[in-house]
Amino acid sequence: NAGVTQTPKFRVLKTGQSMTLLCAQDMNHEYMYWYRQDPGMGLRLIHYSVGEGTTAKGEVPDGYNVSRLKKQNFLLGLESAAPSQTSVYFCASSYPGRAHEQYFGPGTRLTVT
Amino acid sequence: AQSVTQLGSHVSVSEGALVLLRCNYSSSVPPYLFWYVQYPNQGLQLLLKYTSAATLVKGINGFEAEFKKSETSFHLTKPSAHMSDAAEYFCAVTMNTGFQKLVFGTGTRLLVSP
Repeated sequence: NAGVTQTPKFRVLKTGQSMTLLCAQDMNHEYMYWYRQDPGMGLRLIHYSVGEGTTAKGEVPDGYNVSRLKKQNFLLGLESAAPSQTSVYFCASSYPGRAHEQYFGPGTRLTVT
Repeated sequence: AQSVTQLGSHVSVSEGALVLLRCNYSSSVPPYLFWYVQYPNQGLQLLLKYTSAATLVKGINGFEAEFKKSETSFHLTKPSAHMSDAAEYFCAVTMNTGFQKLVFGTGTRLLVSP
């Protein structure tokens, strides 16, 4: 049982490049989330999904897109990376009705130069 | 809208001393409150939760927190700090109805010296 895994662990992008972050969970959770963590700002919700085929905007969605084609996977895309998107990105998942008990992945450290 | 405020971005204690990390919340409806811990280079892990049952909540690793409605607080304590407690701690709040999005505080880094 791997829990929540994230790929890649580290990435350096140049401004304007695109990339996709992959999150996978093996706990059969319906809900999945993408956060970014910046110093002094805690975690901020980017997008979330309450089930396969559904996504919704969180607190800071601009510049990001997401897809949930399979229940176990939640992809976060950056179409044209900007230095302001330098951050640590965390994926999380939870059961319906227990969205307050989220299980987090280990994070992806992204640097945009 | 809900929010949490964590007082102090850094707290330093000596090993064996009391740990007190402060969290105050703002919510227009009865909240659920949580403490998460993040060890270096890892994701967040749930430490303890308050979901409207007992106001004194015990978590893992000897931590506990008390929900005080009159003070809108949910402070985290541990009687005796251990070196392994050094980490960043996040307070979080959500509503107990509807879709429960977590709103995190800005975090408090706990430093433990020998």
